[in-house]
Amino acid sequence: SQQGEEDPQALSIQEGENATMNCSYKTSINNLQWYRQNSGRGLVHLILIRSNEREKHSGRLRVTLDTSKKSSSLLITASRAADTASYFCATVIYSGAGSYQLTFGKGTKLSVIP
Amino acid sequence: DGGITQSPKYLFRKEGQNVTLSCEQNLNHDAMYWYRQDPGQGLRLIYYSQIVNDFQKGDIAEGYSVSREKKESFPLTVTSAQKNPTAFYLCASSKAGEMGGHTDTQYFGPGTRLTVL
Repeated sequence: SQQGEEDPQALSIQEGENATMNCSYKTSINNLQWYRQNSGRGLVHLILIRSNEREKHSGRLRVTLDTSKKSSSLLITASRAADTASYFCATVIYSGAGSYQLTFGKGTKLSVIP
Repeated sequence: DGGITQSPKYLFRKEGQNVTLSCEQNLNHDAMYWYRQDPGQGLRLIYYSQIVNDFQKGDIAEGYSVSREKKESFPLTVTSAQKNPTAFYLCASSKAGEMGGHTDTQYFGPGTRLTVL
């Protein structure tokens, strides 16, 4: 079952603009991760935010987490054509005995127009 | 794509045939995973393994089988029982151990695109 749902499904912006993608989830989580996937390739981990954190930065990426609203956002500032990709959120729930469940959403397809 | 390799990149199968997708990692990770991705969809977990000689079913294990005889290798067999196997298959690995941070991060291979003719 899908835990995380990204919004919007697709986003098209001009180079230099900021891109914001949102992720909503249903049950309490231990952490939330964002991944990027270029067309026809594997996923690349971007950033992890723990449930007790509210905001994290990594270069041009800013991730927020609101556990009361069960939502997260990924902001890419000053976008470049090379940022064109699909972006997925993944929620992590620990299931005991040292194991965890990582569940991916359907992704947001970002197109950055030069 | 890090230290995970998948082969082949493209694979064509006739109906009724079993095929095996290869996944190898040199990251010394204990845990390995297989996902299936359909167009415009997220990833769905097929099987995962947290340690050699042990593996668990994921959400969509029917029609698939795996083995984990070596830490570095986690091959996936798509059997003839899988009714709709055409998809993009992704293998991933992660460190095992203390949870709560970077060890939860998964590292992905480049994927294998399987097409049933």
